Amino acid sequence: QQQVKQSPQSLIVQKGGISIINCAYENTAFDYFPWYQQFPGKGPALLIAIRPDVSEKKEGRFTISFNKSAKQFSLHIMDSQPGDSATYFCAASMTGWGSARQLTFGSGTQLTVLP
Amino acid sequence: DGGITQSPKYLFRKEGQNVTLSCEQNLNHDAMYWYRQDPGQGLRLIYYSQIVNDFQKGDIAEGYSVSREKKESFPLTVTSAQKNPTAFYLCASSSGIGPQETQYFGPGTRLLVL
Repeated sequence: QQQVKQSPQSLIVQKGGISIINCAYENTAFDYFPWYQQFPGKGPALLIAIRPDVSEKKEGRFTISFNKSAKQFSLHIMDSQPGDSATYFCAASMTGWGSARQLTFGSGTQLTVLP
Repeated sequence: DGGITQSPKYLFRKEGQNVTLSCEQNLNHDAMYWYRQDPGQGLRLIYYSQIVNDFQKGDIAEGYSVSREKKESFPLTVTSAQKNPTAFYLCASSSGIGPQETQYFGPGTRLLVL
């Protein structure tokens, strides 16, 4: 199975709060886990990504926590700002045909940060 | 200014009509991808191409066709066989090398049925 399950579907937090989005996967062939941020009417943009041999990766206010044994990973946004209001997608990557990488996306989380 | 361009931004299709969405990249990437985005369903892979003149079906290829005659271009045709084509279509590209490659997305084309 190549499904990636993401929750919650929507999230509302106050400015300065912590936003947490969770994802789970089944296929152990996935070997790279990126998060994408998408603003309305735009294409997704890579936010942060992690390898499965790393338990945590931090870039500024964004942190990925990865639990390989549980096949779960999460995105934490510290000190959330109104400008962070967007849809966030987790994804899982594996090698497809030839050497092309295939991304399987979660269903997305619409984050709203209240001022 | 490197990137991915998609045109048109909005496209209207009549019943029984085939329409073609354009995707061009000047990033010198080998791999290109087409995704369909529906509300609440994330992005689903339609087709992808690793090299010129070759491409593979993704998870939802029925009713779609592609070509890859040039490295920088990967047009998607939505055929009349696609009964529910209304969606946001995203093209992406990547270097195609290594497990940590990044897929870069274009701005998307919104297809609506008249």
